[in-house]
Amino acid sequence: DAKTTQPPSMDCAEGRAANLPCNHSTISGNEYVYWYRQIHSQGPQYIIHGLKNNETNEMASLIITEDRKSSTLILPHATLRDTAVYYCIVRVGNNYQLIWGAGTKLIIKP
Amino acid sequence: DVKVTQSSRYLVKRTGEKVFLECVQDMDHENMFWYRQDPGLGLRLIYFSYDVKMKEKGDIPEGYSVSREKKERFSLILESASTNQTSMYLCASSLPQTGGEGYTFGSGTRLTVV
Repeated sequence: DAKTTQPPSMDCAEGRAANLPCNHSTISGNEYVYWYRQIHSQGPQYIIHGLKNNETNEMASLIITEDRKSSTLILPHATLRDTAVYYCIVRVGNNYQLIWGAGTKLIIKP
Repeated sequence: DVKVTQSSRYLVKRTGEKVFLECVQDMDHENMFWYRQDPGLGLRLIYFSYDVKMKEKGDIPEGYSVSREKKERFSLILESASTNQTSMYLCASSLPQTGGEGYTFGSGTRLTVV
């Protein structure tokens, strides 16, 4: 199984870009990178995913390195409501299960 | 707004009790999942179901069972609750063959076993 490594916690100032790194050096060629976040007292919420190319949607941007061994989730203008635990997932097991790590706790400070 | 609804946000049960956690989804999803979440461990899969009356064990099924009699409802059963089953329980659903982006989660049930 591919594994991910994320820093346990990060701070970011409100209004600045939040850059969350993820290492996945054992990723297979056909495995996608998924990002979810979990706001306190809620279930996880899908953010974005990608395979090789950089991706952008209304929530975030995902930058994947050319060798695919790492990626960065970018929240371009962080708000207090972006305070959450962010999970990087690169392994979908049998029957499309998600396999979760411990994530990064992102704290947005005013 | 599509939803996965878990019947209770908080539950307190006694050791040895039989506990039922209920999950209902209104998206007509075939796949449903039960996870537990503990600090520092992320989410761990207990059971999943890909169709009515079908179930598959996840990574930590011991001490749990499930029931799926209707497509929209997936129940997690703790046959004899123990203190080490104190945890946050999360239900999720998805369409069949969906990628990792297609999961919708409920808000969770925080179970305390005393």
